[in-house]
Amino acid sequence: NAGVTQTPKFRVLKTGQSMTLLCAQDMNHEYMYWYRQDPGMGLRLIHYSVGEGTTAKGEVPDGYNVSRLKKQNFLLGLESAAPSQTSVYFCASARLTGVQETQYFGPGTRLLVL
Amino acid sequence: GNSVTQMEGPVTLSEEAFLTINCTYTATGYPSLFWYVQYPGEGLQLLLKATKADDKGSNKGFEATYRKETTSFHLEKGSVQVSDSAVYFCALSDQGAQKLVFGQGTRLTINP
Repeated sequence: NAGVTQTPKFRVLKTGQSMTLLCAQDMNHEYMYWYRQDPGMGLRLIHYSVGEGTTAKGEVPDGYNVSRLKKQNFLLGLESAAPSQTSVYFCASARLTGVQETQYFGPGTRLLVL
Repeated sequence: GNSVTQMEGPVTLSEEAFLTINCTYTATGYPSLFWYVQYPGEGLQLLLKATKADDKGSNKGFEATYRKETTSFHLEKGSVQVSDSAVYFCALSDQGAQKLVFGQGTRLTINP
């Protein structure tokens, strides 16, 4: 049981390049999330999904797109990277129940945009 | 909107000292409250949580009590260890889809 995994672990991009971050979970969770972590700002929600085929915007969605074609995978895309998107990106997943469930986090992807 | 404010860091303590990390929140309704911990080079993991007023969450010697009257959820530990060195995040659940709103994090360093 690997939990939540993220690939790649580290990436350097040039301004204007595109890339996709992959998140995978093997816990059969319905909910999945993408956050970014910046110094002094905690984690901020970029996009989230409440189930396969559904996505929604979080607090800071601009410049990012997501897809959830399979229940276990949640992809985060940057179409045209900007230096302001230099950050550490975390994916998380949670079960669908009637109460607030624990979110399980991946190890993170460190992205540097030059 | 909902928000979480944590005490400024970094915090440096000696081993066996008493720890308090303050957390206050602003929210509509009755959110659940959480403390997550991030060890160096790792993702976040749940430390403890409380789902209603006056609940006390506890784990690994850490405790926090959900105080609705003061909108607070302060983290405490009676005797810290070097292995507690990490970044600690206070968070609350936002309306719907189990979304979390995080505080800015507090970096804790424990010296032997």
